[in-house]
Amino acid sequence: NAGVTQTPKFRILKIGQSMTLQCAQDMNHNYMYWYRQDPGMGLKLIYYSVGAGITDKGEVPNGYNVSRSTTEDFPLRLELAAPSQTSVYFCASSSRTRIDEQYFGPGTRLTVT
Amino acid sequence: GQNIDQPTEMTATEGAIVQINCTYQTSGFNGLFWYQQHAGEAPTFLSYNVLDGLEEKGRFSSFLSRSKGYSYLLLKELQMKDSASYLCAPGGGSYIPTFGRGTSLIVHP
Repeated sequence: NAGVTQTPKFRILKIGQSMTLQCAQDMNHNYMYWYRQDPGMGLKLIYYSVGAGITDKGEVPNGYNVSRSTTEDFPLRLELAAPSQTSVYFCASSSRTRIDEQYFGPGTRLTVT
Repeated sequence: GQNIDQPTEMTATEGAIVQINCTYQTSGFNGLFWYQQHAGEAPTFLSYNVLDGLEEKGRFSSFLSRSKGYSYLLLKELQMKDSASYLCAPGGGSYIPTFGRGTSLIVHP
């Protein structure tokens, strides 16, 4: 199993550009999550999904959108990138129950200039 | 809401024991996770406590007191590779954990 994969690993965006961060898992997990982590800070939940077709906002959803058309994939869309979105983005998944360890992808380091 | 407090940084000597404390205030508490995160890498799961008491897993143990809103992670026989950030993450009403800022542990020879 590859686990949780994320692409790209690094990206530099100009202010106002858009992009999609890709996330996929091959563990047949129902729950998937997107976090951002700023230097010296904890992980902040952006969006999460409890299954295909179901998504919900986390703590910091503004400026982002998600979709979950399949169990495997959970892309994160950034519209009109801003410098405040410079961060490391982690995708994670967990199995059928919510009280379960999360498996994290390797992260995407995004810089908006 | 969630309020999580853990020390920003700790240092310890190789072979020693270190205890990383975490206090939290959360609504609808249902358990507490500890994750390890090496610099530049993703977090990895260490432990999950839902009942009061100590859970031991090899060199790492985790303790929970629900009534006091308190947990600690105990690392024994420290190794250089234990230098990392340790994230305390209580689960709230939605069961999704909220992560603290983490404690950066530096292990020196």
